[in-house]
Formats: sequence, C-alpha cells, structure tokens
Amino acid sequence: GENVEQHPSTLSVQEGDSAVIKCTYSDSASNYFPWYKQELGKGPQLIIDIRSNVGEKKDQRIAVTLNKTAKHFSLHITETQPEDSAVYFCAASKYQGGKLIFGQGTELSVKP
Amino acid sequence: GAVVSQHPSWVICKSGTSVKIECRSLDFQATTMFWYRQFPKQSLMLMATSNEGSKATYEQGVEKDKFLINHASLTLSTLTVTSAHPEDSSFYICSAPLWTSEAYNEQFFGPGTRLTVL
Repeated sequence: GENVEQHPSTLSVQEGDSAVIKCTYSDSASNYFPWYKQELGKGPQLIIDIRSNVGEKKDQRIAVTLNKTAKHFSLHITETQPEDSAVYFCAASKYQGGKLIFGQGTELSVKP
Repeated sequence: GAVVSQHPSWVICKSGTSVKIECRSLDFQATTMFWYRQFPKQSLMLMATSNEGSKATYEQGVEKDKFLINHASLTLSTLTVTSAHPEDSSFYICSAPLWTSEAYNEQFFGPGTRLTVL
C-alpha cells in the first residue's frame, strides 16, 4: 500500500546550521509532496510544497528537492533559528487537495 | 490564508459515551474534508474522507460504525466517536482543501481536538 518513510526521527542542530530531512515514498502515482510544521498541541501548517513536474523549489531559508525516479524528496532549512524547533512531517498525495499520506515525523531541535 | 476550526479543542469523557467533534471551514466551502488521528509522538493517520452530501470513505482498518462522519453542509463535517474507550484517546485533526480558480488546492488543517476517555 501507500507508504512514506521519513528520516531522521530526531535532529538536533546548532543555531545557524543547516538541517536536512529526507523522505521516500512508495506510490509511483504520487504527484504532490508537501511539508508541514507542527508545534505542540496544534494542527500542521504547510511550509513548502512541490509538484512532480518540478525538481526543486525554494522559499527564503527553506527548500525542497524531489527525485521522482528514486521516489525521494528532501527538506532543507538553512540558517536555522530556535523558532524552527518543531516536528516536521513530509507527505505525499496523488494530487493537490487529495488525501495525504504522512511520514513518521522529525523532531527538530535548534539549540541557541 | 483560509481558516479551519475545530470544536471542542479538548474533551474528556467517560468510557462508553459518545463524543462529537466539529470541523468547520470558516471562509471557504469544502465539499471534501479529511479526518486524521494522531497518537502522542506519532504521525497523522488518515481515518476517512468526508464528502458533502454523500457517505464518507473510510481507510482500511477504521471502523465506520464506531467513527461516524457526517458532512451535512459545505462548511461543516462532524466526527462522532461512539461508545468511546480509553484506546480511542487521541488527537483528532481535520483538514479541508481550498479550491481556487487557479486550481491551487492547498489543504488547511484545523487546530485539532484532544480526546481523553476515562
């Protein structure tokens, strides 16, 4: 069935360093790959997304890359700040607006 | 951005009782909404797709008679946990995709409802 694997489960970095989170998906029909940030006790918030016809997308300190052949996509956060500390989830869907299959989550801790 | 609300934000109930959770799209219409369940320190697991005016579509392993979903209007979907037991204690989150004329369909999540069954 559909599955999304996410690594690492926890990630600790120093403020100013970069953080990279990787995901692998199983369903080759997936075409939409969003990343969400979830703070404790709150719902997920979209931080960046990418569609299958694009290899890379950047928004200020955040970037996402997609390798559709290998079924891999990654989140890159540069110049990390303490307020970046949260749980990050990758997800995959057949189309934007469709049901999402989430990865296991990565707890990012940015130490000042 | 668009807003999705949930009510209540938290609820405590006794084992065997039923609990209703509401999900509302406040400033847009949503013919489809999704319900997820999240256990502590775990991922979001899709429970069902709520369809306005028709039956919900449940994911494999989710008991439709236990988790009743009603999507009575274009802005409201409800999830009723019937005969709740302690193992149903979880964080329940809904989401709704925003359909625009540009076909950009970002999905907005509610703030979640914490259910504790004693």
